[in-house]
Amino acid sequence: GDSVTQMEGPVTLSEEACLTINCTYTATGYPSLFWYVQYPGEGLQLLLKATKADDKGSNKGFEATYRKETTSFHLEKGSVQVSDSAVYFCALGFGNEKLTFGTGTRLTIIP
Amino acid sequence: GAGVSQSPSNKVTEKGKDVELRCDPISGHTALYWYRQSLGQGLEFLIYFQGNSAPDKSGLPSDRFSAERTGGSVSTLTIQRTQQEDSAVYLCASSRDSSNQPQHFGDGTRLSIL
Repeated sequence: GDSVTQMEGPVTLSEEACLTINCTYTATGYPSLFWYVQYPGEGLQLLLKATKADDKGSNKGFEATYRKETTSFHLEKGSVQVSDSAVYFCALGFGNEKLTFGTGTRLTIIP
Repeated sequence: GAGVSQSPSNKVTEKGKDVELRCDPISGHTALYWYRQSLGQGLEFLIYFQGNSAPDKSGLPSDRFSAERTGGSVSTLTIQRTQQEDSAVYLCASSRDSSNQPQHFGDGTRLSIL
């Protein structure tokens, strides 16, 4: 079945450091890919998405590019802030069907 | 409100009791999903509704779990004869009825079984 593997955490970085959270997937066909974020005490929010190969999703300084050849959707940000501390989930889905999530990566940014 | 609304936000109950969790999706969203988030299991899909029908129930873990949706809007997830392993945060999401629309999540119901 479909699956998502993402970098295990926790990840701790200093403010203004460069961030990469790896995400790879296994699926039959070409899913849409998503990054969701869960800030402390809040619900799950969509951060960005990409629906086809070579698409780049971006939001709040974060970017991820849909790479079909490596079945990856790595999340990147050039300079993180304390407010980026959260749990990040990579996910895939087909059409309106269910999302399959990775296990989540807890990110902590130290001032 | 504008978002997905879930109630109650917290529920504590004794093992063996039945519980009902409610989800009110975003107005106009025809697709509705239930997931649960527990330590060690991550985010697991439970059931998906398109309108009032459920084309995918594959994630329901046992016959103690059931869900319904009426009027194409509110959905109720029912857990009968609760067990301690049912303790988790139950999340509801909704999306528009077209391909590749993102799912919008509620804040969840934290269920604790004593």
